[in-house]
Amino acid sequence: EADIYQTPRYLVIGTGKKITLECSQTMGHDKMYWYQQDPGMELHLIHYSYGVNSTEKGDLSSESTVSRIRTEHFPLTLESARPSHTSQYLCASRPDRGKDNEQFFGPGTRLTVL
Amino acid sequence: DAKTTQPNSMESNEEEPVHLPCNHSTISGTDYIHWYRQLPSQGPEYVIHGLTSNVNNRMASLAIAEDRKSSTLILHRATLRDAAVYYCILRSEYGNKLVFGAGTILRVKS
Repeated sequence: EADIYQTPRYLVIGTGKKITLECSQTMGHDKMYWYQQDPGMELHLIHYSYGVNSTEKGDLSSESTVSRIRTEHFPLTLESARPSHTSQYLCASRPDRGKDNEQFFGPGTRLTVL
Repeated sequence: DAKTTQPNSMESNEEEPVHLPCNHSTISGTDYIHWYRQLPSQGPEYVIHGLTSNVNNRMASLAIAEDRKSSTLILHRATLRDAAVYYCILRSEYGNKLVFGAGTILRVKS
């Protein structure tokens, strides 16, 4: 059972609002990831982190930003939400130790920007 | 990361075995073969992974070709709960990222 949590699960918000999607894990994993997935489409990596104070851009350009102040917490922020940001956002983590360990995913946040 | 090729969709009958193929002709010697699946309205979950030898776990089996250019995920008895998108992904030995493709949509008929 993966101990990785995302809140909120669903969010409907108006254009121009600032939003923060929360992701936390209680497994002590160093590596954390954010993916974006439109309905019926592939997952795209938008941000990742190797540990505290480490953040990197993923393969898909995103207007969102992330921070990693604590190991267990990896929030994603949109300063000004737009309809084009409507999507599902999935957080994931995996331990740093080991060379082929599995990645655990949260349940996702489904964001709708009106 | 090397690319994988999977069929867009497959269909199976309940209680029958399912063989999901994956081609990865450009795999390198240090690439591990990972399989994840994504059930409807959920995040992906790990299924199995391997390097050279066939692997078995409680969820599935992974058969890897001798030249490692292809692999097959085997669900021994498909259930309705196995209906999902199945992703075959390569990740290098110390690679930091999982790069997802389109995957195979598995439909299970009762």
